[in-house]
Amino acid sequence: AQSVTQPDIHITVSEGASLELRCNYSYGATPYLFWYVQSPGQGLQLLLKYFSGDTLVQGIKGFEAEFKRSQSSFNLRKPSVHWSDAAEYFCAVGARDDMRFGAGTRLTVKP
Amino acid sequence: NAGVTQTPKFRILKIGQSMTLQCTQDMNHNYMYWYRQDPGMGLKLIYYSVGAGITDKGEVPNGYNVSRSTTEDFPLRLELAAPSQTSVYFCASSYGSSNEKLFFGSGTQLSVL
Repeated sequence: AQSVTQPDIHITVSEGASLELRCNYSYGATPYLFWYVQSPGQGLQLLLKYFSGDTLVQGIKGFEAEFKRSQSSFNLRKPSVHWSDAAEYFCAVGARDDMRFGAGTRLTVKP
Repeated sequence: NAGVTQTPKFRILKIGQSMTLQCTQDMNHNYMYWYRQDPGMGLKLIYYSVGAGITDKGEVPNGYNVSRSTTEDFPLRLELAAPSQTSVYFCASSYGSSNEKLFFGSGTQLSVL
């Protein structure tokens, strides 16, 4: 069965610093991979997704993620973090009724 | 364009009470889902629907029921509420293709005391 692991529960970065959030997955076939962001009191919003093609995908708000099949990873990156990026980030794998979400990584941004 | 709308935003129930969480979407999406989110855990799928009149169980369906009489609405019913059902509930929808993103409502914070 597929599963998603986000090793970091909480990350703190300074504003302007680079960011990398880790995501490892287990999936039997070519995975559909997603990153969602959840601001306090809000539902989840899609940042980006991967299902085929170029392994480096660009998303909204300046985020990108790289699919590495050999490492079963789909890490999220941003070159320069803004205070408004403080939120919870969820990696997900699968599709429709077979979507599995990681436990999330909470990002704190220091001034 | 409202997207996915959930009501209520907050609710406190006593053990054994029942309630319905409402969810409606105005995007003409075929697929609708109910998830629960517990602290330190990812979202868990409770029930989903692939279209009006069709529903199926997800990963954690016990203690819940759903119906889908229209494309727009997908209410979640809690019968005999238990403390273990204290959680944040999210409704989501998608058009249906495998790589389609989910559109989420803003959630319902439910406490069972």
